[in-house]
Formats: sequence, structure tokens, C-alpha cells
Amino acid sequence: AQSVAQPEDQVNVAEGNPLTVKCTYSVSGNPYLFWYVQYPNRGLQFLLKYITGDNLVKGSYGFEAEFNKSQTSFHLKKPSALVSDSALYVCAVRVGGYQKVTFGIGTKLQVIP
Amino acid sequence: EPEVTQTPSHQVTQMGQEVILRCVPISNHLYFYWYRQILGQKVEFLVSFYNNEISEKSEIFDDQFSVERPDGSNFTLKIRSTKLEDSAMYFCASSQTSGGANPYQETQYFGPGTRLLVL
Repeated sequence: AQSVAQPEDQVNVAEGNPLTVKCTYSVSGNPYLFWYVQYPNRGLQFLLKYITGDNLVKGSYGFEAEFNKSQTSFHLKKPSALVSDSALYVCAVRVGGYQKVTFGIGTKLQVIP
Repeated sequence: EPEVTQTPSHQVTQMGQEVILRCVPISNHLYFYWYRQILGQKVEFLVSFYNNEISEKSEIFDDQFSVERPDGSNFTLKIRSTKLEDSAMYFCASSQTSGGANPYQETQYFGPGTRLLVL
């Protein structure tokens, strides 16, 4: 079975400071990892993904994520947070060869002006 | 930029009634998915659909659920006899591929969701 853990319900960060949203996963097989952002009453918007290759993946809106196989982690980062980044960030994993995507519960990011 | 659309945005129904949720996937996508999110819980996979048949489904997707691609553009989820616990946000998604030969094309793009309330 595959699973995703997002250990923090909420992350607060001051505008302009770097942010990190944590994600760890558990799968049997090669993981494909994703970050989505969810705004209230809206669907999931794709941010970035890791399939293979460079462990540091760059995505939309200045976000990046680092795949760490030994720690089974895929933490989301941004060097300088904006107030408009405030949203729910959801980590997800899929196993190669299968279509089912398993999502984490999400971490609410609050960027304080 | 192309996007997945869903109708209706909200649906209220009585327990035991049938509901059909509609989705228009991105036009060149071949794989289609339904997910649901019960309030306060994580998004859960229901079913994936390719080439006019179900390719994967979860244990949630029982005989009360069915999916169909009735024409070249729509993708529907039918719940035959709704229960109170079916109340959730239902998301449709689509992808160009499922990974296979080109995993870079298999990102699933989500619609805005249909909020279903069963009374």
C-alpha cells in the first residue's frame, strides 16, 4: 500500500522568508511524487513533480522540491514567501505502472505580511 | 490554457436518489479519473478510465458507482442510490497518458469539483 504523510497541519512564515512544507511517502516500487495547491472551493492545481533525474525539481510560482530517496521525503520549498502563497499544499504519490494517486491530508501555509 | 470543467458546482439531493456528476476533460487527454474529498479528509482515488473501460478502481468504488464517457467530450460519474456518507467534493481529473512510455505526460489535471450534499 502507498501512503503520504504531511506531519504539519499548518506552517506559518513571514513574508519574504523561506518556506518549507514537509512530505514523506511510503510505496512499493518507484515513486512519482507531486505537489498540488488547493485554494478554498477550488480544485487541485499542479505545482511540480518528480519522476526521475535531478533530485531538485523546479515548478510553478518559484516553488521547488527536493526528492530524498534515503529519507523517503519530498519537501516543498520556496526561497521567499509571498502573502499570495497562502493556501493548502497537498503532497501526492503514484507508483510507476499504476494510475491511482494517493494524496496527503494537506498542510495549510499561512504567510504573514 | 485548457482546463477540466465540472458541472454542477453544487448538488443537493435526497438519500436514495440517483445523481450524475459531469466533467469535460482536457480535449487531447485520454485518461480520466474521479476522486472524492470528504470534508476535512484527504482526497481519495475512486476510479480511472481509459479506452471506454475502467482501468483501476478503489474499494470505495462499489456497485453504486458507475462511470461513462457518453460522447467525445463528457465523462460522468453516476451514483445510483445516494447515501448520507456520499456527501463530499467530487473531483474529476484527466491526463494525456498514464505514465507508461512517457511519464512526463501523465500529470493529472483537476477540475474545480462538484460539492455533493446528500440529505
